[in-house]
Amino acid sequence: AQKVTQAQTEISVVEKEDVTLDCVYETRDTTYYLFWYKQPPSGELVFLIRRNSFDEQNEISGRYSWNFQKSTSSFNFTITASQVVDSAVYFCALIGTSGTYKYIFGTGTRLKVLA
Amino acid sequence: GAGVSQSPRYKVTKRGQDVALRCDPISGHVSLYWYRQALGQGPEFLTYFNYEAQQDKSGLPNDRFSAERPEGSISTLTIQRTEQRDSAMYRCASSPYGTGLSSYEQYFGPGTRLTVT
Repeated sequence: AQKVTQAQTEISVVEKEDVTLDCVYETRDTTYYLFWYKQPPSGELVFLIRRNSFDEQNEISGRYSWNFQKSTSSFNFTITASQVVDSAVYFCALIGTSGTYKYIFGTGTRLKVLA
Repeated sequence: GAGVSQSPRYKVTKRGQDVALRCDPISGHVSLYWYRQALGQGPEFLTYFNYEAQQDKSGLPNDRFSAERPEGSISTLTIQRTEQRDSAMYRCASSPYGTGLSSYEQYFGPGTRLTVT
């Protein structure tokens, strides 16, 4: 079975603080893909990043960074110097490669950045 | 180019009515997926088409839900005899790939917010 767990339901931080959103996944597939999406109040899903299971390099994009560790089955997301515009629900997701290539989403973490 | 579009964007219906939700994928995309997102949850898979063939319907919750993609392009998700628990955001996604490792590349539409009163 495949599963994505986002244990943090809601996080509140003050603007300019750093915040890390946790994601733990389960899959038996050797090849798989991990994703983070942002869902602002408007409701659309905004793609942030994709990593494949063979690439454990951490990635940084502006204030965003991602830490992928296969040893702990984790794919954590850090926002540095958070801003009010970062307030949204963030979803971690997995696509395995056995069977249908369907997204398995976590339940999301609601991030509130307070001015 | 144009992205995935869905219509209507919002639908309010009374319990017991049938509803049809439409998804227009990116032109030329082979695969089409339907997902449902309940309030406070992540999207959950419903069904998947490769061209016009429904390859996987394991996520459809019961036989009130059906989907079709007769010409391998536009898809319709139909819910018969709607119930309040059907209220959710229904999203579709399309992929340029039918099979193979690149099939992870899916593009989401804006969703249809269904409210059953």
